[in-house]
Amino acid sequence: DQQVKQNSPSLSVQEGRISILNCDYTNSMFDYFLWYKKYPAEGPTFLISISSIKDKNEDGRFTVFLNKSAKHLSLHIVPSQPGDSAVYFCAASESSNYKLTFGKGTLLTVNP
Amino acid sequence: KAGVTQTPRYLIKTRGQQVTLSCSPISGHRSVSWYQQTPGQGLQFLFEYFSETQRNKGNFPGRFSGRQFSNSRSEMNVSTLELGDSALYLCASTRSLMDNYGYTFGSGTRLTVV
Repeated sequence: DQQVKQNSPSLSVQEGRISILNCDYTNSMFDYFLWYKKYPAEGPTFLISISSIKDKNEDGRFTVFLNKSAKHLSLHIVPSQPGDSAVYFCAASESSNYKLTFGKGTLLTVNP
Repeated sequence: KAGVTQTPRYLIKTRGQQVTLSCSPISGHRSVSWYQQTPGQGLQFLFEYFSETQRNKGNFPGRFSGRQFSNSRSEMNVSTLELGDSALYLCASTRSLMDNYGYTFGSGTRLTVV
């Protein structure tokens, strides 16, 4: 049973436009959500997170939105840059069990 | 500051052998987690340690084990290796999940079982 789902395996956008990556979850006990970026042969790099008590968190070009009633979160990247091209993973955590549950990832390609 | 360090970066082992992977967390981080990444299953949680105690374990067979030392360094061991154990093994450390502070991952150990 996949508790965190990223339904789009890939996304392609033009440089300067907005990239929107989506993630759905099924476990209502999740109370912390994170986005990671990963290049081949490297470990994931933490981008941004959000607690379930918030519905939005911003950090520079990255904004994460959380809709608890829909069990949905999204990552917005504005403006998108070619260096943003990577696989993006959504992850969720129950703060009481110390583990991250990851989605399968979305490959973002930003075209110059 | 130094990141999460995993050694070795690459490893080739034969079926039936055992392997030990090492992880040095960021200084001050007491929580260390291990994940397995494969093309088919994605990133899956193996276990998490804090102050030398395993606080959670994922759905992996008993051949997968780990430990944490008093200096927060951690090792994981896989015994009786199978071909399906070929994967990228990632270690992550954190101080706290609160305040927009996620887990920091190392670059991983690529294990190939032949």
